Order: sequence, then C-alpha cells, then structure tokens
Amino acid sequence: QVQLVESGGGVVQPGRSLRLSCAASGFTFDTYGMHWVRQAPGKGLEWVTFISYDRSKKYYADSVKGRFTVSRDNSNNTLYLQMDILRVEDTAIYYCAKDFDQWLDYGMDAWGQGTTVAVSS
Amino acid sequence: SYVLTQPPSVSVAPGKTATITCGGNNIGGRSVHWYQQKPGQAPVLVIYFDSDRPSGIPARFSGSTSGNTATLTISRVEAADEADYYCQVWDSPLDLRVFGGGTKLTVL
Repeated sequence: QVQLVESGGGVVQPGRSLRLSCAASGFTFDTYGMHWVRQAPGKGLEWVTFISYDRSKKYYADSVKGRFTVSRDNSNNTLYLQMDILRVEDTAIYYCAKDFDQWLDYGMDAWGQGTTVAVSS
Repeated sequence: SYVLTQPPSVSVAPGKTATITCGGNNIGGRSVHWYQQKPGQAPVLVIYFDSDRPSGIPARFSGSTSGNTATLTISRVEAADEADYYCQVWDSPLDLRVFGGGTKLTVL
C-alpha cells in the first residue's frame, strides 16, 4: 500500500534552515506529482508547494516563495523541502501528500503522518 | 488569490444528515475536493472531483457543487464522523492549491 514517511523536523531558531524529507513507497513515485502541506498549531491546512513528477513544474504559496525549495529524487523515491530563512510563523506540522491522478486535478489521495517544525528563539 | 469560505462548525445528531458548505467565486466551475481530518491524524480524501468517492469511503459521503457553493453531505451520521472537514480547489491561473478554513463537525 502507499506509504509516505516524513522526517527532518525539529526546533530551529528564526533565520536558520531545515531540510525535510519524505520517503515514498507502494506506488510508482516517478509518475505522480507531490505536495507539501502544513498545519500550524490549532489551525487549518495550508498548501505549501507542488512539484511535478518530472521536476519540470514547481509552484509555491506566496508565504514561502523565495525561502522554500521543493525537490525530488526519483531514483530514491524521496521528496524534499529545503526551508531557509525560517520564521516563527513557519511553525507547523508538515505533511507530504501524493496527487491522486497523474494528469487530472483529483486532489491528494495519500498523506504522510507529518513532521513537526518549531521555529523559536 | 482564490478564497474558500467554510463555516467554523456544524453540529448534528447521530443518524441525521450533516451538510458542510464551501463558498467560492464560481466554485461550480472548478473541481472541488474534500478531506476529513481527525484529531492527531493526517487528512484523508473523502470526495474528489466534486462528487466522486475514493475506494473505501462509505457511500454516506457525497458531494455536489452549484454556482458559488460546494457541499459535502454526510448521511446517517455516526460518532466516528466527528472530525474537521476541509474543501480544496486548484487555483489554476496561479497554479496554486487552496484549502478552505475547515469545518469542525460535532456529533451530538
């Protein structure tokens, strides 16, 4: 079955960097687009970024544009999120999620359990 | 950017029907997806493409869209349906995904 396992979260000071990973299994990773979605404590879901199956398309929420970079290693079935110049408001649980369909906008049908990022001085 | 508006909370008695709305400008012209999130858990896709159910989602869950409103309907509500529900669309002109603010469903 599809499995997504995030890692790399932790406590970091404002202005510092962190790199999250998402290990994927149970599906053909290199044929699906992938997302990062975050959830601040007690708040709703916020979409962060998307990367297409072949890395040709990358999109970012305005709140992270210029600070976060999404990437993927299809040979190792792993998704990454490089987070630079972190702010207190980036504190959240970060989920990776898989596109339901390879070509159509059918939402995100598989999610990891999330990794927690806390930005604090 | 595109905004989706959901009521913060909805309450329903067991066995009754719950209706959760999601408002957005001409949302009927977009593909709407719905997610269920229980406390401490990751979200689960319960409706995609306005009204389709992924495998494993009970038929009690249904969706529809019309005009400026999308609706998630849960029939014969059970205690296990108590959760937060989020609508989501693709803001295609900007290639962004947008979530509604979420609705907490309470089963009385």
